[in-house]
Amino acid sequence: EVHLVESGGGLVKPGGSLRLSCAASGFTFSTYNVNWVRQAPGKGLEWVSSITDSSDSRLYADSVKGRFTISRDNAKNSLYLQMNSLGAEDTAVYYCARSPGSSWLFDYWGQGTLVTVSS
Amino acid sequence: EIVLTQSPATLSLSPGERATLSCRASQSVGSDLAWYQQKPGQPPRLLIYDASNRATGIPARFSGGGSGTDFTLTISSLEPDDFAVYYCQQRRNWPLTFGGGTKVEIQ
Repeated sequence: EVHLVESGGGLVKPGGSLRLSCAASGFTFSTYNVNWVRQAPGKGLEWVSSITDSSDSRLYADSVKGRFTISRDNAKNSLYLQMNSLGAEDTAVYYCARSPGSSWLFDYWGQGTLVTVSS
Repeated sequence: EIVLTQSPATLSLSPGERATLSCRASQSVGSDLAWYQQKPGQPPRLLIYDASNRATGIPARFSGGGSGTDFTLTISSLEPDDFAVYYCQQRRNWPLTFGGGTKVEIQ
């Protein structure tokens, strides 16, 4: 069974940094593209970043470009999101999501981890 | 950026009724459109991909249609478990974008 488990969320001050992790199991992680999608409290879904299976390509939403870095460790079946220069607008639940093939849709999601940026 | 506009924002219906949700794209996405269902406190769940294909385990009462810029998600007969928020998502162009969502609530 596919499982994606996010961790690393929490309360951080404006301008601070945080690193999110996503542990994958139940599938061959190294053969799938994976993504981060976020959802601000009471709001809709926003795509944040994607990375291809071999890390050849990394893509970012304009809202996070230059501040966030996506990475993965296929040996550890893990996905990461390094978030720097955080602002209140980054407050959200961050979901890790898998994309089947080269589809860039999201067939499995984790339960999410909450990031709160506040002084 | 491709903007997806979902309508209506809220749909108030009773169990057993038919629900028709709309998603309009600001430019053609071909058939590269997916639909998701989200319940409170849960992550989204993939329902439909490539505009009209049901994802694994999705009941037949859910169907998707359309191509280009106009898409619909139809729930033929609402079950109590179907009351949730529904989002469309395009994968034709970067950035990947979602619609603002349609909440299907119990009337």
